[in-house]
Amino acid sequence: EPEVTQTPSHQVTQMGQEVILRCVPISNHLYFYWYRQILGQKVEFLVSFYNNEISEKSEIFDDQFSVERPDGSNFTLKIRSTKLEDSAMYFCASSPDVAAEAFFGQGTRLTVV
Amino acid sequence: AQSVTQLGSHVSVSEGALVLLRCNYSSSVPPYLFWYVQYPNQGLQLLLKYTTGATLVKGINGFEAEFKKSETSFHLTKPSAHMSDAAEYFCAVTRNTGGFKTIFGAGTRLFVKA
Repeated sequence: EPEVTQTPSHQVTQMGQEVILRCVPISNHLYFYWYRQILGQKVEFLVSFYNNEISEKSEIFDDQFSVERPDGSNFTLKIRSTKLEDSAMYFCASSPDVAAEAFFGQGTRLTVV
Repeated sequence: AQSVTQLGSHVSVSEGALVLLRCNYSSSVPPYLFWYVQYPNQGLQLLLKYTTGATLVKGINGFEAEFKKSETSFHLTKPSAHMSDAAEYFCAVTRNTGGFKTIFGAGTRLFVKA
């Protein structure tokens, strides 16, 4: 069964460093998302991406964040200068259609120290 | 603006009892509605969804939900709880009006007592 894969599963980084979280969506999907979940809290929308551009983004997704689909298969989230409060589980998701469910990866746990 | 409200951050039921997890939404356009389940240290798994058509939708693991437009609700039910149902449940709504995003409720943690 096709699935969304995320790497790495866990990343520890120093405050102020740049991190890139990687995702491989399901191959025939067209809509892509990043979400984050701070420990014990709700799943928060960060950004949606379609047709090689951002469709919508939340207020969390400030200038420190960027997304890219560099080669038609990967979908990356970059945090330019990490802060302690960026520590969270980051989920990538993809869907074949906006009305279809999003399929989620297993997440990347980012720890900023 | 759209939002999702899940009533009750924690719900506890006995094994074999009815499960009812509440979800209300607000949306300026007809929404697409979803329930996801999250087991500890895992990602999100779709339980069921409503897009159009029949308002009572059935999902995996014996769960079902009914879309009630007049009440702007999409409550999740299961007739008989099982220990394995203990997890976090998230209601979500998607809208597509030029841009699209799926937003999630705060989640309800379900505890099942033996």
